[in-house]
Amino acid sequence: DSGVTQTPKHLITATGQRVTLRCSPRSGDLSVYWYQQSLDQGLQFLIQYYNGEERAKGNILERFSAQQFPDLHSELNLSSLELGDSALYFCASSRVGELFFGEGSRLTVL
Amino acid sequence: DQQVKQNSPSLSVQEGRISILNCDYTNSMFDYFLWYKKYPAEGPTFLISISSIKDKNEDGRFTVFLNKSAKHLSLHIVPSQPGDSAVYFCAASNGGKSGGTSYGKLTFGQGTILTVHP
Repeated sequence: DSGVTQTPKHLITATGQRVTLRCSPRSGDLSVYWYQQSLDQGLQFLIQYYNGEERAKGNILERFSAQQFPDLHSELNLSSLELGDSALYFCASSRVGELFFGEGSRLTVL
Repeated sequence: DQQVKQNSPSLSVQEGRISILNCDYTNSMFDYFLWYKKYPAEGPTFLISISSIKDKNEDGRFTVFLNKSAKHLSLHIVPSQPGDSAVYFCAASNGGKSGGTSYGKLTFGQGTILTVHP
């Protein structure tokens, strides 16, 4: 158990819809990272938040947005969903040192 | 543009033998390299890392070697155990281990499925 909690674990939705993925970092970790893993691909960095502020951005689509709340949990919002958005979405947190990943949220867009 | 590549999608090894997983990178700005292990239905877990100022780092059965001139790193597992069967991801960053805004912005390879047979 990494201490990073992600919900929901599985989500099935239709094209054009909007979903929200939630992440609770390890206790005390200020940084939250979001990664996307598509089929047969490595993890792709999407975005990082540090103590409520956006710190770094990767190849995140404009249809996607994220935020980190005062209690340090984070949400990733995916809108106008397309078939190609089907993937595993991982959240990770860190203090100093390596990243600790949650179990991921598997999104299926039909 | 795949900046980190794991060219072997899979590797099969007998228990007790050595497993060698390879990774190549193209970005010379990378200065910190990590290996993660992933079991099905779980998130990646950190295994071992190496800074670009070193060429070797050991942790028990796991050793990572870095060849900066060749932009190549490898993970050696000796001896391999059936419990090591998992997907192994190589990752790199240019933020060092704990400093800079780039830390945590990891670039991952596609992963190598390691199967260790009893």
